[in-house]
Amino acid sequence: NAGVTQTPKFQVLKTGQSMTLQCAQDMNHEYMSWYRQDPGMGLRLIHYSVGAGITDQGEVPNGYNVSRSTTEDFPLRLLSAAPSQTSVYFCASNRGPYTEAFFGQGTRLTVV
Amino acid sequence: AQSVTQLGSHVSVSEGALVLLRCNYSSSVPPYLFWYVQYPNQGLQLLLKYTTGATLVKGINGFEAEFKKSETSFHLTKPSAHMSDAAEYFCAVSEGGTSYGKLTFGQGTILTVHP
Repeated sequence: NAGVTQTPKFQVLKTGQSMTLQCAQDMNHEYMSWYRQDPGMGLRLIHYSVGAGITDQGEVPNGYNVSRSTTEDFPLRLLSAAPSQTSVYFCASNRGPYTEAFFGQGTRLTVV
Repeated sequence: AQSVTQLGSHVSVSEGALVLLRCNYSSSVPPYLFWYVQYPNQGLQLLLKYTTGATLVKGINGFEAEFKKSETSFHLTKPSAHMSDAAEYFCAVSEGGTSYGKLTFGQGTILTVHP
């Protein structure tokens, strides 16, 4: 089973560039989320989705955009990259609100 | 609003010693509590979870945690540490349906195991 797949694994961007981090899951989970991980801060929620066509903001949404056109995919878009967005990004999926999240392997993003 | 505090960003133990990682939470509704482990350059893996029922929860790799409502705590323990337990551990809380399953994480605790 592939589970949650994130691409790319590593990325270097210049300030002002845009890009999309890809996330796909093959478990037919309705709930999907994006988190960023920074040293000493744990994981913080960026955006989440409770089903195709439904998204909402998390704790740190500024500078990021999401859409959910299918159950399987939940891409995260950086509109104009800034050095403050240097982080490790994790995508996760849940079967429902009372169940554990399954995480991808992460994307390490550096903005220079 | 839910929040999580992990006491101690770094914990160091000797191989064979007791592991105790502390987690306190706040939640406006009965919480769902999780412990995740992250090995270097990997994603997060579920160790154990508390939803309802028995307050002592057993997980993988010999870890367990006890939900104490009166203390708002969910500390993680393992009787005897192995070298392979060295990793970063995260406590997380969800308010279930009221929060659409969103997780709030603690800051993480890095566990070092010495031979």
